[in-house]
Amino acid sequence: DGGITQSPKYLFRKEGQNVTLSCEQNLNHDAMYWYRQDPGQGLRLIYYSQIVNDFQKGDIAEGYSVSREKKESFPLTVTSAQKNPTAFYLCASLGQGSYEQYFGPGTRLTVT
Amino acid sequence: AQKITQTQPGMFVQEKEAVTLDCTYDTSDPSYGLFWYKQPSSGEMIFLIYQGSYDQQNATEGRYSLNFQKARKSANLVISASQLGDSAMYFCAMRDLRDDKIIFGKGTRLHILP
Repeated sequence: DGGITQSPKYLFRKEGQNVTLSCEQNLNHDAMYWYRQDPGQGLRLIYYSQIVNDFQKGDIAEGYSVSREKKESFPLTVTSAQKNPTAFYLCASLGQGSYEQYFGPGTRLTVT
Repeated sequence: AQKITQTQPGMFVQEKEAVTLDCTYDTSDPSYGLFWYKQPSSGEMIFLIYQGSYDQQNATEGRYSLNFQKARKSANLVISASQLGDSAMYFCAMRDLRDDKIIFGKGTRLHILP
């Protein structure tokens, strides 16, 4: 079955540590996205990538980094520079000529 | 800069009534797309409906319709004959068709009362 996988579902880290969230898709979609969801804030765009080896900052990129070495994969690293990293992170993809974003199940990150 | 505004943090509606969720947007681009997504308490994102900026007619998908008023920059979602299962968070989103940037509003939490 085609879709987007995010792992793990729950992630716990100590403050000061970098952590990488996985996002893999087998939909052959060109564009991929990372969003952060906090209560009352909706989904805020962190980074997005239209094509392999290229990505753009979203509205809240500070403290985050991404890579797009393969079409199927778009990992997000939450660095120690991110002031408040505890949140629900959603990965999404979009196919060429399509208008429906497909979302993964999300990763809930807790940093203490 | 692009912006999506949803002014209703929460709404309570009686079952079987119609409900309108407000969404206004701001963009200087002539080509864009507007979406609505539903997010139940499980956290999954469910695509509901899409409207392109050049579409002449309002989009409809079953009980969902998008009331697109381009001059007023509004894209309200109308749910007819609401059901208990419609209780969820609803997000309005906009896509820049030049670079595929997609941003979301803060959402409206809809509660359907029996």
